[in-house]
Amino acid sequence: EVQLLESGGGFVQPGGSLRLSCAASGFTFSSYAMSWVRQAPGKGLEWVSIISDSGNTFYADSVKGRFTISRDNSKNTLYVQMNSLRAEDTAVYYCARRGVGTSDYDEFFDYWGQGTLVTVSS
Amino acid sequence: AIQMTQSPSSLSASVGDRVTITCRASQGIRNDLGWYQQKPGNAPKLLIHAASNLQSGVPSRFSGSGYGTDFTLTITSLQPEDFATYYCLQDYNLWTFGQGTKVEVK
Repeated sequence: EVQLLESGGGFVQPGGSLRLSCAASGFTFSSYAMSWVRQAPGKGLEWVSIISDSGNTFYADSVKGRFTISRDNSKNTLYVQMNSLRAEDTAVYYCARRGVGTSDYDEFFDYWGQGTLVTVSS
Repeated sequence: AIQMTQSPSSLSASVGDRVTITCRASQGIRNDLGWYQQKPGNAPKLLIHAASNLQSGVPSRFSGSGYGTDFTLTITSLQPEDFATYYCLQDYNLWTFGQGTKVEVK
């Protein structure tokens, strides 16, 4: 059974840093791209970042230069280092597995963790 | 960046109703679009990928259509467990979610 378990959320002051983790199990972690998606309280979903199975990284403009996504395949764990945090970064952060359908263009997020809450406030 | 405009933002419906939600992309995205369902306090759940491919285990009352810029999610006979918020997500160029559509009890 595929499982994704986020941790590391908490309360941080503006300008501070936090590192989130996502422990994966039930699949060959190293073979999948992994992503972070966030949801501010009462708001919609926002894609944050993705890392390919080979380590290529991409970011939403809203976090580029402040967040760094990484992975440790030996530990089956996904990370995001969040620096220079702002109030607008307050959200539940989900990790999600990128699945691929019958063609390489058919991408989706097929498994999600339950999320970890990050609160940025003074 | 590709913008996704989803409508309506909310709708009221009854069990058994046919429900349609639309999503429009700011540029052509082929069929690189998925639909997700989210219930309060829960993570999103994949319903449909590649615009019309039903994810394994998802009831057949859910269907998707569209290509290019205009897409539709249809629930043919709304069930009690379908009251939730639905999001489209483009994966043509990175990823962008629509704003969401909350399906509420009429």
